[in-house]
Amino acid sequence: QSVLTQPPSVSATPGQRVTISCSGSSSNIGSNYVSWYQQLPGTAPKLLIYDNNKRPSGIPDRFTGSKSGTSATLGITGLQTGDEADYYCGTWDTSLSGVVFGGGTKLTVL
Amino acid sequence: EVQLVESGGGWVQPGRSLRVSCGVSGFTFHDYAMHWVRQAPGKGLEWVSGISSNSGGIDYGDSVKGRFTISRDNAKNSLYLQMNSLRVEDTALYYCAKDIDGSGYYSGYFDHWGQGTLVTVSS
Repeated sequence: QSVLTQPPSVSATPGQRVTISCSGSSSNIGSNYVSWYQQLPGTAPKLLIYDNNKRPSGIPDRFTGSKSGTSATLGITGLQTGDEADYYCGTWDTSLSGVVFGGGTKLTVL
Repeated sequence: EVQLVESGGGWVQPGRSLRVSCGVSGFTFHDYAMHWVRQAPGKGLEWVSGISSNSGGIDYGDSVKGRFTISRDNAKNSLYLQMNSLRVEDTALYYCAKDIDGSGYYSGYFDHWGQGTLVTVSS
């Protein structure tokens, strides 16, 4: 059972916008910044978003992040078939003194 | 180009020990915190441990606390994870990951990852 809660799967068609939610508590999302990772099949995860809404260099602005209270959201616009992947949220948990992740959300682009 | 290459994985019986390593290049290793993150087959990500740039700050996930030890050798650009009292549930792909923050302490954001080394614990 993951500390952060994500929907197991989401789906959308090419060109559409999709959002992935991540729910936590006051000891993690509520008091710390959130990150998001994309894991394409058979590859290592890739950092998409950090500090709730910042993108590392090379990450297109189709990917956006936001946070409100104890929840965070990843948004992806202009969906492409190449966006099919597992997406994970992560943050520091002050009570656990460690990084915690969501269980992951599988994005299917139909 | 930043590169992280894990090694040392393999098959081990429950209760035994194993040490995995991560060699890095392409960045100033001694400036950055480093982490181990694992992923059991078909499962999600689990943070295992983090170590600050000068080894002064170390933390572990609850599931490995007391059994695993993280360390680093800045002269050799290498990160290590000593795993003792291994359990079947420790079976996973172990990733070495670089922290994004160059201050030396960890931010908990991983901007570069290796390809992982597979550890299988089974009798």
